[in-house]
Amino acid sequence: QKEVEQNSGPLSVPEGAIASLNCTYSDRGSQSFFWYRQYSGKSPELIMSIYSNGDKEDGRFTAQLNKASQYVPLLIRDSQPSDSATYLCAVNTPARSYIPTFGRGTSLIVHP
Amino acid sequence: DGGITQSPKYLFRKEGQNVTLSCEQNLNHDAMYWYRQDPGQGLRLIYYSQIVNDFQKGDIAEGYSVSREKKESFPLTVTSAQKNPTAFYLCASSIGGQANTEAFFGQGTRLTVV
Repeated sequence: QKEVEQNSGPLSVPEGAIASLNCTYSDRGSQSFFWYRQYSGKSPELIMSIYSNGDKEDGRFTAQLNKASQYVPLLIRDSQPSDSATYLCAVNTPARSYIPTFGRGTSLIVHP
Repeated sequence: DGGITQSPKYLFRKEGQNVTLSCEQNLNHDAMYWYRQDPGQGLRLIYYSQIVNDFQKGDIAEGYSVSREKKESFPLTVTSAQKNPTAFYLCASSIGGQANTEAFFGQGTRLTVV
């Protein structure tokens, strides 16, 4: 079982819709969770971090953390074509010395 | 401006040649990382260093080597033993050793075997 699992996609949504990106992790001891956005040919940039159960909102982005289910999805409201990118979920766990462990990423396409 | 600088942006390697990718940070971070990214593979950890003069193998270290002689610098050498080196290489850094700290990335080096 991979430590961080994401649907590879592509996930295609119309402009203005809600995009829901999934992420599950295997280590129950994981303590911090991150979502990065990566445009084609570019490096990842952090868009959200979440450390405790519940929702965290930043503009159109909402990260949700459910430690019991080991599930940390990202929602993007009012999706825009500029949101088209690959979204990487990352997890820090003490078992891996807090080294960021990444999922494969989900490719999101927002079409006009 | 604080950040991470990788060079070169593009690199071409001939068969049997060693090449070195540069990574420099001025964020005063203790931890530095090298990841490899292939299409559809996400980021895979090659090597990491949590303190100067110490580094550890990651998940795919074969065919690579690193050094950490200065806090600011963490160069990666892709040796001739790496049979499939064509990939996008990303260097990152973080405070390290703590849970709630994010990683910051350089702009990446795209390595191609010719």
